[in-house]
Amino acid sequence: KNQVEQSPQSLIILEGKNCTLQCNYTVSPFSNLRWYKQDTGRGPVSLTIMTFSENTKSNGRYTATLDADTKQSSLHITASQLSDSASYICVVRSITGTASKLTFGTGTRLQVTL
Amino acid sequence: DARVTQTPRHKVTEMGQEVTMRCQPILGHNTVFWYRQTMMQGLELLAYFRNRAPLDDSGMPKDRFSAEMPDATLATLKIQPSEPRDSAVYFCASGLTTGTIRSEAFFGQGTRLTVV
Repeated sequence: KNQVEQSPQSLIILEGKNCTLQCNYTVSPFSNLRWYKQDTGRGPVSLTIMTFSENTKSNGRYTATLDADTKQSSLHITASQLSDSASYICVVRSITGTASKLTFGTGTRLQVTL
Repeated sequence: DARVTQTPRHKVTEMGQEVTMRCQPILGHNTVFWYRQTMMQGLELLAYFRNRAPLDDSGMPKDRFSAEMPDATLATLKIQPSEPRDSAVYFCASGLTTGTIRSEAFFGQGTRLTVV
């Protein structure tokens, strides 16, 4: 069964600290993996997208990594800010022929405090 | 400022009533998605359309849910009759697909539905 597991479920860190969120998946065949940031009461916003051949992708203070062999991805946030408080969702796309399917993780809830 | 617009933002209704949620995709986007988000299940894809044609609605309970695109500027998701377990936030997203190239999906702000 295709699954996307995220950890931790929630995380509290101090402003200025770094953190790493994990995403393990069993989706096959793999097409791409996205990390989304979802602020409370808002829709998700894409942070990064990675295909099979990409190991690292950065977007400002966000750096995503992908190990397609072990089916693991991480999202590293550097020098966290209060505005980073949000849910971070890992989404894996699989494509079979013309059929495309997205499998969502349940997200990591990050809270950045003073 | 191009954005996906969803209405209403909030809806409280009694069990058994019909609920219609509307979505205006970003102008020029040809792919529209409907998602449901709950605390327990996270985000789930209900249906998606390309060029107004439904491509996949396997995630949608067919007995009470229906999704349509009357025209390129409007997508609707209808629940009839609604049940308390339908309480969730419903997101619409749109994107542009050309050939094998898929842009990212841009999400609306969601409709928070509460069925009592």
